[in-house]
Amino acid sequence: SQQGEEDPQALSIQEGENATMNCSYKTSINNLQWYRQNSGRGLVHLILIRSNEREKHSGRLRVTLDTSKKSSSLLITASRAADTASYFCAYGGSQGNLIFGKGTKLSVKP
Amino acid sequence: ETGVTQTPRHLVMGMTNKKSLKCEQHLGHNAMYWYKQSAKKPLELMFVYSLEERVENNSVPSRFSPECPNSSHLFLHLHTLQPEDSALYLCASSQENEKLFFGSGTQLSVL
Repeated sequence: SQQGEEDPQALSIQEGENATMNCSYKTSINNLQWYRQNSGRGLVHLILIRSNEREKHSGRLRVTLDTSKKSSSLLITASRAADTASYFCAYGGSQGNLIFGKGTKLSVKP
Repeated sequence: ETGVTQTPRHLVMGMTNKKSLKCEQHLGHNAMYWYKQSAKKPLELMFVYSLEERVENNSVPSRFSPECPNSSHLFLHLHTLQPEDSALYLCASSQENEKLFFGSGTQLSVL
């Protein structure tokens, strides 16, 4: 299976704390993407990092990519209750389609 | 609002019914996708259409039948579904395998 893994599966933090989620994958990639999903809704694209990049920032989001370890991390700084959602990493499979992990369920308590 | 619209938002159907899910994108993208999301399982890619031609069918049962009449519209025709087909069905579009734009999904319940 080309399925990747995210960890932790669930994360509960207080508002203002940082949240870190990790993603491991199994194949060579062109890019890796992170998505967010509020309960029962569609996914929203957050950030894309290309295989030749090591770190990328977007507002309170910081993504790192280590292609030697086939892993990526998503850091959300100064979290807010509105950040409560599930977060998924996705990367290109052998047929060009995106493969999604099972996601990390983040709960930010006020 | 992502520019991808799915209807209906909720659907309850019996196992002998025939229904269709509709997806529309106004982003000028050249690829459209159907994904299935079941509880506690990762997103499963069902179908991919690129330039209105189907390029992938991940061994989806024939009771699911996609249709892509033009680059802006995508349908998923459903017939004789099983209770295990109950899930959130998500449509997405993209331009050349870049980031996906998802619709809000159709929550399907098969009784």
